[in-house]
Amino acid sequence: SAVISQKPSRDICQRGTSLTIQCQVDSQVTMMFWYRQQPGQSLTLIATANQGSEATYESGFVIDKFPISRPNLTFSTLTVSNMSPEDSSIYLCSVEVPKLGNTIYFGEGSWLTVV
Amino acid sequence: EDQVTQSPEALRLQEGESSSLNCSYTVSGLRGLFWYRQDPGKGPEFLFTLYSAGEEKEKERLKATLTKKESFLHITAPKPEDSATYLCALNTGNQFYFGTGTSLTVIP
Repeated sequence: SAVISQKPSRDICQRGTSLTIQCQVDSQVTMMFWYRQQPGQSLTLIATANQGSEATYESGFVIDKFPISRPNLTFSTLTVSNMSPEDSSIYLCSVEVPKLGNTIYFGEGSWLTVV
Repeated sequence: EDQVTQSPEALRLQEGESSSLNCSYTVSGLRGLFWYRQDPGKGPEFLFTLYSAGEEKEKERLKATLTKKESFLHITAPKPEDSATYLCALNTGNQFYFGTGTSLTVIP
């Protein structure tokens, strides 16, 4: 399996501030994904981050609000900008591992509460 | 339209009372079906991958099966520590689809 470390695991943020979430994988992967999971709901894909190219955002998510970096094959960051209470959610980093049957593995999640 | 539906939304079992969770799907091409366990406030933990109808995978008290239209996660003699939300997801090759999960509570 792939081991994915995310930090912070949890934070309380002030409205209007920005927070960057880091995701480190224990092996090189091409495809990395960022998801959001709001309380009591399923996962929603924010964007796909491939090394060496700009992230591809899903409908309803924009780069100005959720800038993503992917500097190499083991690391990515997601910034949640100008936060509002509606951004309170668990943010999840995930990777697809082709040699493990294209299984998606998830990090532990970053639980953000905006006050 | 590609779609994944999990049922029931919530399930309460007595310790030792076996049951099954369902994941039904309509997708144009299945490249893999995945089951995950998710504890509150944490990321999903990978359990199983199934690729073709008739395939089965087992791990401790859990067994996952797959048909052409649905997958079941069977829980045999569950314990309180099995309480969690169980998610299924599908890979069509172009996209991953996630169900909304079944919240399982096992009462001692």
